[in-house]
Amino acid sequence: GAVVSQHPSWVICKSGTSVKIECRSLDFQATTMFWYRQFPKQSLMLMATSNEGSKATYEQGVEKDKFLINHASLTLSTLTVTSAHPEDSSFYICSARRLLNSPLHFGNGTRLTVT
Amino acid sequence: AQKVTQAQTEISVVEKEDVTLDCVYETRDTTYYLFWYKQPPSGELVFLIRRNSFDEQNEISGRYSWNFQKSTSSFNFTITASQVVDSAVYFCALSGGETSGSRLTFGEGTQLTVNP
Repeated sequence: GAVVSQHPSWVICKSGTSVKIECRSLDFQATTMFWYRQFPKQSLMLMATSNEGSKATYEQGVEKDKFLINHASLTLSTLTVTSAHPEDSSFYICSARRLLNSPLHFGNGTRLTVT
Repeated sequence: AQKVTQAQTEISVVEKEDVTLDCVYETRDTTYYLFWYKQPPSGELVFLIRRNSFDEQNEISGRYSWNFQKSTSSFNFTITASQVVDSAVYFCALSGGETSGSRLTFGEGTQLTVNP
């Protein structure tokens, strides 16, 4: 089955630093990747939609300058949390799909803790 | 706008009991997809099922079964003879077509605890 790899699984960083999270589709080309954020005991909230070769589309309320998304190839999208603050601590999950309305395949998530 | 409601925040059952997780959705799209995902304590999302809006047949997969009722906009999930390993958060989700741009909207999730 389709596999999406997300790295790192967890990261602890100091306030003010930047953190990059990678999302790779291992056995298919993903035309679209999505980035979600999940706070403890809450649902997944879509942050942005990332299309290969074009700018990401951010959901309302998500700061594009703070959460930089790059989708440079059909198998890799990255999310960079810039100048991280403790309130950015969360579980970030990426997902990818081959085609419009193909099933979404999720990465294993990245638990970010900002101290 | 799309919306998914999982009214049951937490459910606790004893092993071998049957349990049904409710999901009600709202959408203006005529073509849409419904999903169930399982999220164990480790955090990853495990895909369980996808059903398109034109297929109202109920589905059974082992101990899992799904009841899709378009008339009531519901897509309920039943686990038969529950096991401790079924303990997880279960999310119902909706992906639409015309108006939603295929974005996946999740419900709030139901925490299922199966006690031995």
